[in-house]
Amino acid sequence: AQRVTQPEKLLSVFKGAPVELKCNYSYSGSPELFWYVQYSRQRLQLLLRHISRESIKGFTADLNKGETSFHLKKPFAQEEDSAMYYCALSVKFNKFYFGSGTKLNVKP
Amino acid sequence: DTGVSQDPRHKITKRGQNVTFRCDPISEHNRLYWYRQTLGQGPEFLTYFQNEAQLEKSRLLSDRFSAERPKGSFSTLEIQRTEQGDSAMYLCASSLGQYNEQFFGPGTRLTVL
Repeated sequence: AQRVTQPEKLLSVFKGAPVELKCNYSYSGSPELFWYVQYSRQRLQLLLRHISRESIKGFTADLNKGETSFHLKKPFAQEEDSAMYYCALSVKFNKFYFGSGTKLNVKP
Repeated sequence: DTGVSQDPRHKITKRGQNVTFRCDPISEHNRLYWYRQTLGQGPEFLTYFQNEAQLEKSRLLSDRFSAERPKGSFSTLEIQRTEQGDSAMYLCASSLGQYNEQFFGPGTRLTVL
């Protein structure tokens, strides 16, 4: 069965520190993976997807099929990065499975 | 176009009552998704539409839940005989085509007393 696991509910880092939000998935097929972000009082929005292989707001994520992971990384965290982050897996862009989310708190 | 809209934003109902939520997608978006989100969890897929056709429905969805998108534009999600366990945020999202970004609405928060 498809499953997305985000082991950390809360991650606190200081401004300027590197950040890594962990995401592991379970899927027997070829995964399509995404990171979504929800800033305070805003809607859920797409941050990046692995097929685009692009960096958004300094964030990158690499799909590691061997470790079934899609960790989100940023070398220097900013206070405005504080938000809720969700990793998601898509089955043929039809059904989407979300992890339980990690709250990132960037301290000044 | 201000994005995906949902109505109402909040709904409080008594157990056993029926409720209906509406979602208006972004114009020309042919895909529409419904999700449910409970406290401390990520969005849980419920169902999706391609135009007016409902192509998939989660097996987690009981028979008390039904969704429609009669003209391929707005969609409604109805919950019959609500239970306290139905209390959640119900999210709608739309996309232009299968492979494009989903845009989420603000959600409807349902509280079943």
